[in-house]
Amino acid sequence: DTGVSQNPRHKITKRGQNVTFRCDPISEHNRLYWYRQTLGQGPEFLTYFQNEAQLEKSRLLSDRFSAERPKGSFSTLEIQRTEQGDSAMYLCASSPRAGSYEQYFGPGTRLTVT
Amino acid sequence: TQLLEQSPQFLSIQEGENLTVYCNSSSVFSSLQWYRQEPGEGPVLLVTVVTGGEVKKLKRLTFQFGDARKDSSLHITAAQPGDTGLYLCAGAQGFGNEKLTFGTGTRLTIIP
Repeated sequence: DTGVSQNPRHKITKRGQNVTFRCDPISEHNRLYWYRQTLGQGPEFLTYFQNEAQLEKSRLLSDRFSAERPKGSFSTLEIQRTEQGDSAMYLCASSPRAGSYEQYFGPGTRLTVT
Repeated sequence: TQLLEQSPQFLSIQEGENLTVYCNSSSVFSSLQWYRQEPGEGPVLLVTVVTGGEVKKLKRLTFQFGDARKDSSLHITAAQPGDTGLYLCAGAQGFGNEKLTFGTGTRLTIIP
């Protein structure tokens, strides 16, 4: 069990470009969550998956954001036409199953939009 | 709107002292987690409490969930420099709704 991994760890992009982040959850964890954390704040929920099904999306997730978990294993989060306000740490977490409150976080992807 | 308020926001104390961090809400949570986060890293789970009034100990750390499941506290005894970090509480509101609502965090600095 190697824990949750995220790639890349850091991404610098110019405003208007598209970016994609990847999250690999702990093996056999059914649930996968995405959160966003800005400086000085706690993480905020974006979306989550039960296997390959996306069950909920936050109002924070504008139309420029899309997340997938095609085979119920790894997940990707894409941001189209990035804006400076998208600069944040994007965190992924996984948990074993529905009803399991423990979530295990990856190291995050730090996005900087210039 | 942040549903979980943490206090204090910043705390700087000498090594060996005791401290308590608070996490308060007007909402009821089915469970509450405490995490510690280092700069540039993801939060690391310390403990989960699920029963009102529950107390859990992790070495020098004591966690308590309020009787009404609206608040929690973290008490550290004989703080050490290795305890330095951002402490986050996070609540989940129910089975089938395990997404976490986080507090704003308490940044703790232990001075050697």
